[in-house]
Amino acid sequence: NAGVTQTPKFRILKIGQSMTLQCTQDMNHNYMYWYRQDPGMGLKLIYYSVGAGITDKGEVPNGYNVSRSTTEDFPLRLELAAPSQTSVYFCASSAHDSIRETQYFGPGTRLLVL
Amino acid sequence: QKEVEQDPGPLSVPEGAIVSLNCTYSNSAFQYFMWYRQYSRKGPELLMYTYSSGNKEDGRFTAQVDKSSKYISLFIRDSQPSDSATYLCAMCVNQGGKLIFGQGTELSVKP
Repeated sequence: NAGVTQTPKFRILKIGQSMTLQCTQDMNHNYMYWYRQDPGMGLKLIYYSVGAGITDKGEVPNGYNVSRSTTEDFPLRLELAAPSQTSVYFCASSAHDSIRETQYFGPGTRLLVL
Repeated sequence: QKEVEQDPGPLSVPEGAIVSLNCTYSNSAFQYFMWYRQYSRKGPELLMYTYSSGNKEDGRFTAQVDKSSKYISLFIRDSQPSDSATYLCAMCVNQGGKLIFGQGTELSVKP
């Protein structure tokens, strides 16, 4: 059981480049989330989705886009990368929005924008 | 002022010590409180959650919430080297609400 998988594990981007961070879960979870984690800053929610075809903004959505065409996949798109987007990105999923349902996190993608 | 404040540490203790990790918050509407554990270069994993005020115990771990003081704590008894990780508090207003995380406290338990 793979859980939540993320690719790539690490990437270096030049300013202005674009890329897509991939996230896949095999637990048939409806809810999926993208967070970024900066040193000493905790996790901040970028976007989330409550099901295929439905997405909504989180706390820090600027500079990012998402789509949810299937239950399993929730890619995060960075357009025109900026140094401020250097961070560790975590994807998570949960069966419901209930706190009792654990959010399962992927291993993260480390992104460096130079 | 940040909604959730957590001392980033690092905190270093000897094996067997009692560890106290704390968070303060400013939004009195928060009702659900969680502690996540994050090992180095891994994603966070839910350790404990508590609804409203009170205590909750799970093995060596005890979570406390004091809503009147807007203060939550996680106690680890008989700490082990395997407890070395970053501990993040998180909270939200309701079950469908967005999680607000603290900065995380880095804990190191020395053998």
